[in-house]
Amino acid sequence: QVQLVESGGGVVQPGRSLRLSCAASQFTFRTYVMHWVRQAPGKGLEWVAGISNDGNKKYYADSVRGRFTISRDNSKNTLYLQMNSLRAEDSAVYFCATDSTPMLVVGIFDHWGQGSLVTVSS
Amino acid sequence: QSVLTQPPSASGTPGQRVTISCSGTTSNIGSNIVNWYQQLPGTAPKLLISSTNQRPSGVPDRFSGSKFGTSASLAISGLQSEDEADYYCSAWDDILDGVVFGGGTKLTVL
Repeated sequence: QVQLVESGGGVVQPGRSLRLSCAASQFTFRTYVMHWVRQAPGKGLEWVAGISNDGNKKYYADSVRGRFTISRDNSKNTLYLQMNSLRAEDSAVYFCATDSTPMLVVGIFDHWGQGSLVTVSS
Repeated sequence: QSVLTQPPSASGTPGQRVTISCSGTTSNIGSNIVNWYQQLPGTAPKLLISSTNQRPSGVPDRFSGSKFGTSASLAISGLQSEDEADYYCSAWDDILDGVVFGGGTKLTVL
């Protein structure tokens, strides 16, 4: 049973930084593309970023490009999202998700974590 | 403003068939597969339909997907009360080089 557990969320002031982690288990983490998807309170889903299985290729939504950085440590089975220059509109539950096909970026999110809440407020 | 367009709400009575539409452009739905997710209140989304019309293991065959041109549809037949949820479509966008979602459709079972 694939397990994805996000952590690192909390309340942060505008302009500050926060790093989310996603601990993966029960599957071969290093072979799968991974993504972050967020959902603002009462709103829909928004894809944030994706990273290839080897970490060499990264993809970002325009809304976070230049402020957020996705990364992974395959030796620790962990995905990260470094969020800088945070804004109120970044407040959301952040989910990590696996892409369905090993080593391919297809954008099919077949397993999700439970989410980590980030609130950007002064 | 979502890149893919879905109706904000849909409804039906138990046993009925309902469809939810998802409209995009040539750079997303027109050239890539469409996926559908179901999100029950307070839970993470769940993959419902992948690759336009494939059901992951465990998804009832009451759920089906289709695509024509730059639009896609999710059909739910034999509607049940437990189908009451939010439904989202998504696709890869070749211009944005990322995944785009619809704004979501809240399905109410009357």
